Amino acid sequence: ILNVEQSPQSLHVQEGDSTNFTCSFPSSNFYALHWYRWETAKSPEALFVMTLNGDEKKKGRISATLNTKEGYSYLYIKGSQPEDSATYLCAFPGDDKIIFGKGTRLHILP
Amino acid sequence: SAVISQKPSRDICQRGTSLTIQCQVDSQVTMMFWYRQQPGQSLTLIATANQGSEATYESGFVIDKFPISRPNLTFSTLTVSNMSPEDSSIYLCSAPTGGIPDTQYFGPGTRLTVL
Repeated sequence: ILNVEQSPQSLHVQEGDSTNFTCSFPSSNFYALHWYRWETAKSPEALFVMTLNGDEKKKGRISATLNTKEGYSYLYIKGSQPEDSATYLCAFPGDDKIIFGKGTRLHILP
Repeated sequence: SAVISQKPSRDICQRGTSLTIQCQVDSQVTMMFWYRQQPGQSLTLIATANQGSEATYESGFVIDKFPISRPNLTFSTLTVSNMSPEDSSIYLCSAPTGGIPDTQYFGPGTRLTVL
């Protein structure tokens, strides 16, 4: 059974600070790694899809890196803002379905 | 991009009753997916809803408990039958974006509490 792990489970960050969290996934048979942002009462929204080892993607203050050999991806948020409060999910396409991590719940403190 | 809506957004139900969740996509899609997120757990795929054929259920989920309908290419329903408190979850439907492989559009979810 494929396992996708995210840490930490929950994170409180002061507004203006930068933060990062991790997704680990099976390094064999890698195909792609997805990051989603899920705000309360809204739909999960695709942030990035990462496919190449060493890949780095950026969207505004949010960026992500990928290491397929060791099986991890980092998501970075620079200068956290209240609107960054959400659950961040990573997802790994398996043979027949997509496996999601449990998510990192990010709280931005004013 | 596709817009997916779900009804109801939340509900509180009594043990033993059933709830049907509706999912509407604003464009035609071949496949729709139903997920569940129990408290503290991952998003878990319940089943794939295919138009014109029976849904395909993942291990641990059965049709009697989670009957699914897919009458056309824009609509699907999931019924949670004979509910127990363990069914308290967020239920999400999704559809592929049709662009980047495996990227999904999601509905906003149905937050179900079973007493």
